[in-house]
Amino acid sequence: DQQVKQNSPSLSVQEGRISILNCDYTNSMFDYFLWYKKYPAEGPTFLISISSIKDKNEDGRFTVFLNKSAKHLSLHIVPSQPGDSAVYFCAASANYGGSQGNLIFGKGTKLSVKP
Amino acid sequence: DTGVSQDPRHKITKRGQNVTFRCDPISEHNRLYWYRQTLGQGPEFLTYFQNEAQLEKSRLLSDRFSAERPKGSFSTLEIQRTEQGDSAMYLCASSLGWGRAGNEQFFGPGTRLTVL
Repeated sequence: DQQVKQNSPSLSVQEGRISILNCDYTNSMFDYFLWYKKYPAEGPTFLISISSIKDKNEDGRFTVFLNKSAKHLSLHIVPSQPGDSAVYFCAASANYGGSQGNLIFGKGTKLSVKP
Repeated sequence: DTGVSQDPRHKITKRGQNVTFRCDPISEHNRLYWYRQTLGQGPEFLTYFQNEAQLEKSRLLSDRFSAERPKGSFSTLEIQRTEQGDSAMYLCASSLGWGRAGNEQFFGPGTRLTVL
């Protein structure tokens, strides 16, 4: 069973508009969430993270929102640029037992930003 | 560039052969992770090291897989008697600590394994 779900395999957005990528999780022990971007033939690149004690974290054009009660987080990219076209992975980790720091990833959402 | 490096980038082997991959983490990072990614999936955790100690192994890591991190620096992942199902991208990541702001995992470019 998937503990981290990205239900939209793909998203297409016009340049300059907002991109919203969504992620749901099932494990209430998750306390740290990250977004990674991945280009073909490269490893994932860290984008932004958020701790469960916060509900928002912003870094330039990227903002992550966390709704703990709904077990939902989202990544907003404003304004979207063609160079943002990539696969975006949501990941989560939990601080319990022997699983400290291991990341659980969703399947990814392919974002296409059209000029 | 002092990021995470992996070698080789691509490996093609025949079923039944052994293969070994190497990962060089960011120098000051004491945690090193191995993940596997197959088509259409996100990376899946395999194992991780705190310095030279291997602290956790996923159930995905069958007894044909072994990982080492001698002296707490670079790491190797060996797959013995490869099977076609082992074909995947093998990713290495490193972090300064774990799971908190400032201790994010940084990934290498991966090793693409194809088992014929």
